[in-house]
Formats: sequence, C-alpha cells, structure tokens
Amino acid sequence: EPEVTQTPSHQVTQMGQEVILRCVPISNHLYFYWYRQILGQKVEFLVSFYNNEISEKSEIFDDQFSVERPDGSNFTLKIRSTKLEDSAMYFCASSELDEQFFGPGTRLTVL
Amino acid sequence: GENVEQHPSTLSVQEGDSAVIKCTYSDSASNYFPWYKQELGKRPQLIIDIRSNVGEKKDQRIAVTLNKTAKHFSLHITETQPEDSAVYFCAASKAAGNKLTFGGGTRVLVKP
Repeated sequence: EPEVTQTPSHQVTQMGQEVILRCVPISNHLYFYWYRQILGQKVEFLVSFYNNEISEKSEIFDDQFSVERPDGSNFTLKIRSTKLEDSAMYFCASSELDEQFFGPGTRLTVL
Repeated sequence: GENVEQHPSTLSVQEGDSAVIKCTYSDSASNYFPWYKQELGKRPQLIIDIRSNVGEKKDQRIAVTLNKTAKHFSLHITETQPEDSAVYFCAASKAAGNKLTFGGGTRVLVKP
C-alpha cells in the first residue's frame, strides 16, 4: 500500500539556521498539507497546497515558512530562520479527496 | 474558524470493555469527520471517518456516530484490547483539499 514518506526523520539545528523538510506524497494525490505537533499536544494545520499554489495557510505559517513542489514527486517545507519554538514534529499529508494520509514525520529540534 | 473540542482527555478501561470518545465542532459547514489513532512517536493513522450524509458507520470493533444538528460526533470501540492503547484524535474538515482541524486528543489505556 503506498505511503507518504518524509526525510529526514530527525533534524537538529541551531536557532537562526534554515531547514528544509522533505516529503514525497502518494503519487496520485492532488492535495498536499503540512501540519505540526508540539510534544504532547494536538496536531496543528500549517498550510495546504493544490495545483502548485498555496490554497490555505494558518497564522503559524508566517513569512519564515515557505512550501515548494520542486518536481513531480517532492513537496518541501522551508523554515528560513528557525526559532526555539519551532521545535516540533512536522507531518506532511496528502489526499486524493478528503481522506488525508500522514507521513511518519520529521522531528525538528532547535537548539 | 472551526473549533473542535474532544473529551475525555484520558480514558482508562479494562480489556474487553467499551471506550467512547466524544467531539464537538463549531462550524456547520464541516462535513467530513475522520478519527486518527496515534501511537507513541508514530504518524496519525486514519482508522475510520464519517461524512455528513450518514449518521453512523461501523468497521469491525470501531463505530462512529454523527449528530449534525447538535454538531457532535463520537468514536466507539467495543471489546477493547491492549493494542487499542494509543492517543485518538478527532478532526473536522469542510471538503476535499481543506485543512483538518483536530481535537485535543484522548489518551486511551486498556488495562489487561
């Protein structure tokens, strides 16, 4: 059964550094999403992406964040200048219609 | 925007008993309600979902009910087993391609 994949599984970075989190959505899916989950808390929506553009973004998704689909398979989340409070698990998800399937996540630790 | 409340936050049951988790939502335009199971350190896994055109859906030991008038939906797990121990999240969405708004989660512990 096809699954969403994400790399890396764990990323440690210094405050102020740029990070890029990578995702490969399920191949026939049209909608892509990024969510984050701070340890022990609920999953929070960051951004949704369709037809090569952002369709919706949350208040969390400020100017420090960007998303890109650089080729036909990858979907990336970039954080330009990381802050301590960006430490969280970042999940990519994709859907063909409304059923969203999540990747295994990237644990981002900002020191 | 949408707000999803989930109760209880923790639930401890004896193996074989039933577990019920309840969620309420605020946006009457929401019409898709999935439930996710998340084991420690793992991805949220979709276990069942319901759309607004039905009131109940069942899949083996898991069932979900939806009351659109009252804006609440519930997850029922019967004959619980230790492997059902996990955090369960409800969510709501308006349509295909729309964001999921998650509830706060319920930590379920099934005691053998």
